[in-house]
Amino acid sequence: DADVTQTPRNRITKTGKRIMLECSQTKGHDRMYWYRQDPGLGLRLIYYSFDVKDINKGEISDGYSVSRQAQAKFSLSLESAIPNQTALYFCATAGVSTGELFFGEGSRLTVL
Amino acid sequence: QKEVEQDPGPLSVPEGAIVSLNCTYSNSAFQYFMWYRQYSRKGPELLMYTYSSGNKEDGRFTAQVDKSSKYISLFIRDSQPSDSATYLCAMIYGNKLVFGAGTILRVKS
Repeated sequence: DADVTQTPRNRITKTGKRIMLECSQTKGHDRMYWYRQDPGLGLRLIYYSFDVKDINKGEISDGYSVSRQAQAKFSLSLESAIPNQTALYFCATAGVSTGELFFGEGSRLTVL
Repeated sequence: QKEVEQDPGPLSVPEGAIVSLNCTYSNSAFQYFMWYRQYSRKGPELLMYTYSSGNKEDGRFTAQVDKSSKYISLFIRDSQPSDSATYLCAMIYGNKLVFGAGTILRVKS
């Protein structure tokens, strides 16, 4: 089983719908992250959490929210999806070393 | 101007070639430098992690950092078709981790 699991792997939805992407990890890491990846723009940080009671905005948090339900679970929500949120979304975890991230396999979201 | 610039490619080379992948950066505060490899339909995985200027070698891979020029490189010797992937540079200052856009590499057999 993967150390960082994302669900769903693929989702097609319509403008205005609420979407939740879920992430769970078995690495025992405290730090968890949500990134989106777009061609030519690389990975951009949406939100991050250093423990269950700690939630921080990244560089592109507008239109997104997160919930850290437990050390192992970190979910990303789009309250009202819009087409420019079509992207590949990655969850990642980190231990002590900030630079060593462990990524899930990604959730491809298409908003029509 | 982006903090980290990386040519998106694609870079296409024959099997066995030496590959050079590069990133430039504008912020001299960056202290730690990484290279991630991302296969199609997979998440990125850490390949190399360096701190100081100079070279770090791991098998066929060599990471090079030149802080005076704000330039980092990843060299791949004897490239293989299995090296075909997107390579992303990343760097840290403080708690901020910034990724390059990634370079697509294709190694042809």
